[in-house]
Amino acid sequence: EIVLTQSPGTLSLSPGERATLSCRASQSVSSSYLAWYQQKPGQAPRLLIYGATSRATGIPDRFSGSGSGTDFTLTISRLEPGDFAVYYCQQYGSSLPFGRTSLPFGQGTKVEIK
Amino acid sequence: QVQLQESGPGLVKPSETLSLICTVSGGSISSYYWSWIRQPPGKGLEWIGYMYYSGGTNYNPSLKSRVDISADTSKNQFSLKLSSVTAADTAVYYCASTHLVLYYMDVWGKGTTVTVSS
Repeated sequence: EIVLTQSPGTLSLSPGERATLSCRASQSVSSSYLAWYQQKPGQAPRLLIYGATSRATGIPDRFSGSGSGTDFTLTISRLEPGDFAVYYCQQYGSSLPFGRTSLPFGQGTKVEIK
Repeated sequence: QVQLQESGPGLVKPSETLSLICTVSGGSISSYYWSWIRQPPGKGLEWIGYMYYSGGTNYNPSLKSRVDISADTSKNQFSLKLSSVTAADTAVYYCASTHLVLYYMDVWGKGTTVTVSS
């Protein structure tokens, strides 16, 4: 079963700064199946990035995704006040027995105002 | 644009079965996979499982023995049943549409809080 590990746990930055969030998979995964979500307090998660690099509808271009194999990155080029939130990566995994699949999430990275 | 709405009891007793429904509007239930995700208080997201409207399912191995996800195509709804609940199952439960090819979750319900307590 694939395990996703996000780092750091918390990122303390100021508005206007660049944020770099990491998501590492326990085994090599297809970049086609790597997604990133943003969650603000009291709200449902929102899809930001799919296929490791493609922005979802309405997502500003200051959000970008990259990576392949086991290492993926979400970059926020210039933090705006509304970007302070928790970010999760998620992957499609096909390594379970009997052809079963899973859709695990990482544990999340909180981006907080410094 | 697809919209999702979770519904169900907010309080379930220990050892009983948690039952939730997700109503799909603005789209066909045959156009996506459909997932359930939960989030315990103060914790991260946990994928519970997903299904296709025709009946195929995949569940989180850690919950597999207690989970059942199914669809009612006549009502454009899908449901979650989680049996033998304990306090550890207290969480906000979300339903989400899941892309048929790339498996990302692009539309989410607002979530419903379920508390397990006697």
